[in-house]
Amino acid sequence: GEDVEQSLFLSVREGDSSVINCTYTDSSSTYLYWYKQEPGAGLQLLTYIFSNMDMKQDQRLTVLLNKKDKHLSLRIADTQTGDSAIYFCAESSHSGSARQLTFGSGTQLTVLP
Amino acid sequence: GAVVSQHPSWVICKSGTSVKIECRSLDFQATTMFWYRQFPKQSLMLMATSNEGSKATYEQGVEKDKFLINHASLTLSTLTVTSAHPEDSSFYICSARASGYEQYFGPGTRLTVT
Repeated sequence: GEDVEQSLFLSVREGDSSVINCTYTDSSSTYLYWYKQEPGAGLQLLTYIFSNMDMKQDQRLTVLLNKKDKHLSLRIADTQTGDSAIYFCAESSHSGSARQLTFGSGTQLTVLP
Repeated sequence: GAVVSQHPSWVICKSGTSVKIECRSLDFQATTMFWYRQFPKQSLMLMATSNEGSKATYEQGVEKDKFLINHASLTLSTLTVTSAHPEDSSFYICSARASGYEQYFGPGTRLTVT
């Protein structure tokens, strides 16, 4: 089945850039997503990218997709303490009539003052 | 827009009892709803997918008689954990999808079985 992998932890200093990496195995993925989860809360969609795109930028967030290597990254510019959370990448696969998401293990981002 | 709510947000129940969790799409009609389970410091695992008016499709390893899912309307799906045991303690998250690709997630329900 599909597999999505992420490193578990990342620490950065406030004001620096954060780069969270993700690899996936499903070559038929059409959409790839980044979600943020704060403690005890559900998932907040940050951004997504369609598989025929290489890059997408949305304010402080930049998503890079290397489809050949099946590698996705999320760059957060000027990281703030409020960005501390778990970040999940997910890929969208099709199963029957429903489009399902397969999540990575999540990367715990810690922003140090 | 695209708000999904869950109720309750936190529930404690005794072993052997049943618990119902509601998932509502507040400002859109959800043709498909998904139920996930998340253990501490782990990823979300899809439990089942439900389409309004039809039976849910369960993922491999998920007991459909234990985790009853009902998607009776386009704005409400329920997950009932029957005869709950401590190993069922987890964070349960639902999501809802209209006709597009995006899933909107609820805030989650923390279930503790004592």
